[in-house]
Amino acid sequence: SQQGEEDPQALSIQEGENATMNCSYKTSINNLQWYRQNSGRGLVHLILIRSNEREKHSGRLRVTLDTSKKSSSLLITASRAADTASYFCATLNAGGTSYGKLTFGQGTILTVHP
Amino acid sequence: NAGVTQTPKFQVLKTGQSMTLQCAQDMNHNSMYWYRQDPGMGLRLIYYSASEGTTDKGEVPNGYNVSRLNKREFSLRLESAAPSQTSVYFCASSPGTSSVYEQYFGPGTRLTVT
Repeated sequence: SQQGEEDPQALSIQEGENATMNCSYKTSINNLQWYRQNSGRGLVHLILIRSNEREKHSGRLRVTLDTSKKSSSLLITASRAADTASYFCATLNAGGTSYGKLTFGQGTILTVHP
Repeated sequence: NAGVTQTPKFQVLKTGQSMTLQCAQDMNHNSMYWYRQDPGMGLRLIYYSASEGTTDKGEVPNGYNVSRLNKREFSLRLESAAPSQTSVYFCASSPGTSSVYEQYFGPGTRLTVT
């Protein structure tokens, strides 16, 4: 079963604009991660936020986590055409023997027009 | 470092045929994973190996077997391929199963079963 639900499914913006993607999940987590996938390629890790963190930054990326609402958002500021890709959230469930098993959402397709 | 490599890149099988997907990593990682990605479904975990010598089922293990040949290599076998196994298969690795680690993905194998 899919843990994460991502919203929107697709997002189309102009270069220079900000892009915000949201992820909701169902169970308690250890961490939440965001990955990017360019067309026809493997996934690339962007950022990891632990369950006891509320916000994290990496370059033009800002991730927030609200464990009370079981949701996260990824903000890409000043977007570029090269940011065009699919973005996935993935959760590492808390408790028991998670053994690093990530559960992925369905992804948001971001298109940035030059 | 090559990171995570997968062979083959593309494969077409007839129903009932068998094949093995190969995966290798050169990062000295302990944990390795196999996922499948279907349109609109995100990634789903097939099998994983938390450490050399151990393997365990993920979310969708039916129809697959795995072998952790050594620390570097983790193979996925389809004994009798079915059209429902048409998908893109990704191998991933991580230093361990701790919640601080992200996963590193290979480029994928696109498999079509006719």
